[in-house]
Amino acid sequence: DGGITQSPKYLFRKEGQNVTLSCEQNLNHDAMYWYRQDPGQGLRLIYYSQIVNDFQKGDIAEGYSVSREKKESFPLTVTSAQKNPTAFYLCASSSRDRIPTNYGYTFGSGTRLTVV
Amino acid sequence: RKEVEQDPGPFNVPEGATVAFNCTYSNSASQSFFWYRQDCRKEPKLLMSVYSSGNEDGRFTAQLNRASQYISLLIRDSKLSDSATYLCVVGDYAGNNRKLIWGLGTSLAVNP
Repeated sequence: DGGITQSPKYLFRKEGQNVTLSCEQNLNHDAMYWYRQDPGQGLRLIYYSQIVNDFQKGDIAEGYSVSREKKESFPLTVTSAQKNPTAFYLCASSSRDRIPTNYGYTFGSGTRLTVV
Repeated sequence: RKEVEQDPGPFNVPEGATVAFNCTYSNSASQSFFWYRQDCRKEPKLLMSVYSSGNEDGRFTAQLNRASQYISLLIRDSKLSDSATYLCVVGDYAGNNRKLIWGLGTSLAVNP
């Protein structure tokens, strides 16, 4: 079955460490997204990529980096520059069809990152 | 004004009740609209898209009023399993760029 897989499910980071969150999809979707969700704040877009080897900053990109070397993969690195990284991180993908009413996102099950 | 606003709730209703959620959006040029469901500590899942003519999926009915920039979700005959947070999502589409704006969600608890 096609889907989107995030790993690990839980991640603990020490102060000053960089950590990388994995996101893999086998839906043949062109577009992929990273969101962060904090209690009471809803989903906020970190980075997105609409095609391989291209990505754009979202609303809260500072302290994060991404790469898109393969269509299936869109890893997110949380760097030490991110001052408040504890959150629920969600990866999503969608097709790039040009019918605006038709695109929904498929989400992975998320990674909970905690700074210790 | 927030781009997408929802009443956070919580809505506490008995099984079998009918409950309605409302959502307003600020960009009159928005082109697509969705309701997502999110269970506690899980990822959001698409519940239904919202079309101008209104649409129904079983016990769920979604309505869109572009003039008032208002979206609604009606749940009939509530089940315990409907307990979740319901996210209103609005999509803007300019050229090749899509942007989804997420509401903060409305919490629903269906009680036995």
